[in-house]
Amino acid sequence: ILNVEQSPQSLHVQEGDSTNFTCSFPSSNFYALHWYRWETAKSPEALFVMTLNGDEKKKGRISATLNTKEGYSYLYIKGSQPEDSATYLCAFPGGGKLIFGQGTELSVKP
Amino acid sequence: DVKVTQSSRYLVKRTGEKVFLECVQDMDHENMFWYRQDPGLGLRLIYFSYDVKMKEKGDIPEGYSVSREKKERFSLILESASTNQTSMYLCASSPFIGAGDRGGNEQFFGPGTRLTVL
Repeated sequence: ILNVEQSPQSLHVQEGDSTNFTCSFPSSNFYALHWYRWETAKSPEALFVMTLNGDEKKKGRISATLNTKEGYSYLYIKGSQPEDSATYLCAFPGGGKLIFGQGTELSVKP
Repeated sequence: DVKVTQSSRYLVKRTGEKVFLECVQDMDHENMFWYRQDPGLGLRLIYFSYDVKMKEKGDIPEGYSVSREKKERFSLILESASTNQTSMYLCASSPFIGAGDRGGNEQFFGPGTRLTVL
């Protein structure tokens, strides 16, 4: 059974703080790693789909890195803003479907 | 603009009722998925479908069934709702990329249906 783990489960930061969280996934038979952001009352939306070891992707103040050999990805948010408050999910393809981690719930206080 | 819609945002049903959750996508995607989300458990896959009339069990199919009569529509059915099926239900779709598709394509999600079973 493929297991995708995220840590921490929740995070509370002040506006302006930079933060990061982790996704761990099986390092064998790597295909891709997804990051999604799920804001309250909205649909989850894809942030990044990462496929190459050492890949780094960026969207505004959010960036992600990927280490396929050791099976982890980091998501970084620089200078957190209240609008960054959301649950961040990572997902790993397996058996024709995505296997999601349990998510990191980020709360940014003004 | 890509769109996945779900029939209801909020639904309240009674134990034993038959419940239909409908999902429609307008992107001509082959793959469609039903998830439920519960606190601390992330998104768990209930059923998915690669094509019309095809369905595959996900990780937690017990107590659910699905129907895919048309490409754009994927229905989740609770034959006899129970209180432990109170949850947020999310539908998603993704394109099929051909032979070797391992389910790695970006998924597009609907807004979710929050179902309460009393």
